[in-house]
Amino acid sequence: DAGITQSPRHKVTETGTPVTLRCHQTENHRYMYWYRQDPGHGLRLIHYSYGVKDTDKGEVSDGYSVSRSKTEDFLLTLESATSSQTSVYFCAISESRDQPQHFGDGTRLSIL
Amino acid sequence: QKEVEQNSGPLSVPEGAIASLNCTYSDRGSQSFFWYRQYSGKSPELIMFIYSNGDKEDGRFTAQLNKASQYVSLLIRDSQPRDSATYLCAGPASNTGKLIFGQGTTLQVKP
Repeated sequence: DAGITQSPRHKVTETGTPVTLRCHQTENHRYMYWYRQDPGHGLRLIHYSYGVKDTDKGEVSDGYSVSRSKTEDFLLTLESATSSQTSVYFCAISESRDQPQHFGDGTRLSIL
Repeated sequence: QKEVEQNSGPLSVPEGAIASLNCTYSDRGSQSFFWYRQYSGKSPELIMFIYSNGDKEDGRFTAQLNKASQYVSLLIRDSQPRDSATYLCAGPASNTGKLIFGQGTTLQVKP
């Protein structure tokens, strides 16, 4: 299995609080991604990174920010969480843009 | 908007039958496609990828890509109850590092 660790695995928090999710990889892959998965919407890309300090937006980036200061870590931040951001969040990595993506185990986030 | 479309199902097949899962895409520039299997409550798991026209076989799984018709399919031979899952098709958006995922097809294999 690809060495991808997401933390925390579960989190419950309140509306308006900041939340940071972490994705850590041991594969030295260049590309890292954050997705959310909701019933009826499938997997939707939030942000992705193609190198240290190089990031770009996905289709549902509003309300989220990311940072990548090291190859192995990609952080997703919800500056002020809203109930609409309750979801399962997956991190994925790939060696290059034409290679398959491999997913972490996910973080289940509930915002009350 | 570049899209990847799948029939959400559920697709129900008896044990031992061939399950056929299909996916169409709109981006003619896409060069490769990926099939993921996702069990309920778990993360997507890569099961097949295909980069060229034609068929690619791996055990009970065969991926087929037809670029002229813009469709990709996954055949599962000798379907087993353990194959019951949601299958996601994904293709890259041209010249980006992004993958576009279909909504997924739920497969049910009945003993």
